[in-house]
Amino acid sequence: DIQMTQSPSSLSAFVGDRVTITCRASQSISSYLNWYQQKPGKAPKLLIYAASSLQSGVPSRFSGSGSGTDFTLTISSLQPEDFATYYCQQTFSPPRTFGQGTKVEIK
Amino acid sequence: QVQLVESGGGVVQPGRSLRLSCAASGFTFNTYGMHWVRQAPGKGLEWLAGISFDGSTKYYADSVKGRFTISRDNSKNTLYLQMNSLRTEDTAVYYCAKEWSYYYDSSGNCLDYWGQGTLVTVSS
Repeated sequence: DIQMTQSPSSLSAFVGDRVTITCRASQSISSYLNWYQQKPGKAPKLLIYAASSLQSGVPSRFSGSGSGTDFTLTISSLQPEDFATYYCQQTFSPPRTFGQGTKVEIK
Repeated sequence: QVQLVESGGGVVQPGRSLRLSCAASGFTFNTYGMHWVRQAPGKGLEWLAGISFDGSTKYYADSVKGRFTISRDNSKNTLYLQMNSLRTEDTAVYYCAKEWSYYYDSSGNCLDYWGQGTLVTVSS
């Protein structure tokens, strides 16, 4: 199975900061990497698919990059509503594993 | 608008069975793959199972293989998860999710819509 490792596990940042979350796959997954945002008590929401494509309706301050084994999710200017946990997921091969999550807190 | 509504959760004793349902509306159900994902209390997301649009292909996480079965009834626009031999570690919120294929191959997809989840508690 492909293991997905996110870092950091949590972070705290000010409104307006640039935030970067990384996701590393245990083997190459090409660009088959998605990012999701989950707020407390809510279902996850798709942010980025195919490593760098922004889902419709998602603010442009979110962006994704990477291919192979190393990927990043960047929030260019953190907003209060971005307080959430972020997960990467690989779809290169079953099982479609998620990373362990990165919790973003607002300072 | 797309709606996914899970049901069937509740409290069940270890070793017993439970069947979850996910009623879909707002899209052509029989043309999309579907998935189940769960989240244990205070933990991260765990992908469990996926099924192709016509039910011909199914795949599972190792943690549930042989105990859980994913299925669908396209005439009823409903996805199911049959859970047998339940364990305390299966306690979680269970989400169904719709698959969207952005690329022609079997890897180019994502989960674009999710239900609100149903809680399953396995306890004696």
